[in-house]
Amino acid sequence: DVKVTQSSRYLVKRTGEKVFLECVQDMDHENMFWYRQDPGLGLRLIYFSYDVKMKEKGDIPEGYSVSREKKERFSLILESASTNQTSMYLCASGGDGALNTEAFFGQGTRLTVV
Amino acid sequence: GQNIDQPTEMTATEGAIVQINCTYQTSGFNGLFWYQQHAAEAPTFLSYNVLDGLEEKGRFSSFLSRSKGYSYLLLKELQMKDSASYLCAVRDGRYQKVTFGTGTKLQVIP
Repeated sequence: DVKVTQSSRYLVKRTGEKVFLECVQDMDHENMFWYRQDPGLGLRLIYFSYDVKMKEKGDIPEGYSVSREKKERFSLILESASTNQTSMYLCASGGDGALNTEAFFGQGTRLTVV
Repeated sequence: GQNIDQPTEMTATEGAIVQINCTYQTSGFNGLFWYQQHAAEAPTFLSYNVLDGLEEKGRFSSFLSRSKGYSYLLLKELQMKDSASYLCAVRDGRYQKVTFGTGTKLQVIP
């Protein structure tokens, strides 16, 4: 069974704090993704990575950064959390695009910034 | 960039058939996915299409027309547990970027 594990299910942080969301996958996938999901807006891509140390901006990268030092781990960083970053954050991983490769999702982290 | 459109909500009756449409515009195309998401849960994979035509998997089928930028998900013999959001997602060929539509919330009624 593929497993994508996010470090926390629920987080509450204060405005201005630096926040780390961690994601680990155990399937040796090349591609990893961070999305946020908000009512009425669906899943929006923040950043993705197609290899170690490689990262690409998604559709809404402002206010976020990422780190991928090892293949299995993809971290999302909020340098200075703001209330508009309160959301559900979902990490996903997937394999090589040459194959029929679905993205597997973690269970999500519900972040509240107060 | 990518633009994906799908209806916001649909209602269907238990035992019936429902078709959820998805249209997309993309600068590069390398596959279309359908995911199911129950409330407060993570999305789970339903189907993948990269060539034109119909892919059938049990009660669920997915169709793709690349020339029209169009896909649909067909759910047969609807069950109450099929009440969920259905997400259409398109993969960009160059960077494996996967972009989702806003999802269609399906309510199955008795």
